[in-house]
Amino acid sequence: AQKITQTQPGMFVQEKEAVTLDCTYDTSDPSYGLFWYKQPSSGEMIFLIYQGSYDQQNATEGRYSLNFQKARKSANLVISASQLGDSAMYFCAMREPNSNSGYALNFGKGTSLLVTP
Amino acid sequence: KAGVTQTPRYLIKTRGQQVTLSCSPISGHRSVSWYQQTPGQGLQFLFEYFSETQRNKGNFPGRFSGRQFSNSRSEMNVSTLELGDSALYLCASSSLAGGADTQYFGPGTRLTVL
Repeated sequence: AQKITQTQPGMFVQEKEAVTLDCTYDTSDPSYGLFWYKQPSSGEMIFLIYQGSYDQQNATEGRYSLNFQKARKSANLVISASQLGDSAMYFCAMREPNSNSGYALNFGKGTSLLVTP
Repeated sequence: KAGVTQTPRYLIKTRGQQVTLSCSPISGHRSVSWYQQTPGQGLQFLFEYFSETQRNKGNFPGRFSGRQFSNSRSEMNVSTLELGDSALYLCASSSLAGGADTQYFGPGTRLTVL
């Protein structure tokens, strides 16, 4: 079953405008972590922001903020003041604990963001 | 601090061959994970190594294997390559055993199987 759902395959935004990328997740575990990564055409995954399930405040990192609505199981990424360099694929990912204390991320299918002048 | 490095960056192989990809984590990071990214299946977790032990494994056939060395560097091996193994293989490292730890990714190795 899909654990991370990103319903927007592609989005456009004008430079300097704000944009929200949607992410919903599915888990029955009370302890989990949510991540957003950016992947430019070069292929490297760039970490943007993290939100823990027990965090009371929404995470922010510069122009990135995470709109965390736990009851709705959503973790939307908000990019303020978009720049041309923000054009990329954006992936939402979730980490759940496992019996080995191992580390594995479940990724969504991604949203392609194009910032226009 | 240097980031995660992966070698080679590009690789072309033919069906039936085997391939070894290498990953050097960020200095001090002991956990190394591997992911496969394809247009059809997206990003899928392969396995994770911590202190030279495989700690977590995704749902991939036994042709996919890996190991980690005492300096935390990791290799993954794919034997008897199939056309469907063409993908971007991403390595990621993290420092802690769990919690709010973040994985940092390398630039990837793009494998093409002909």
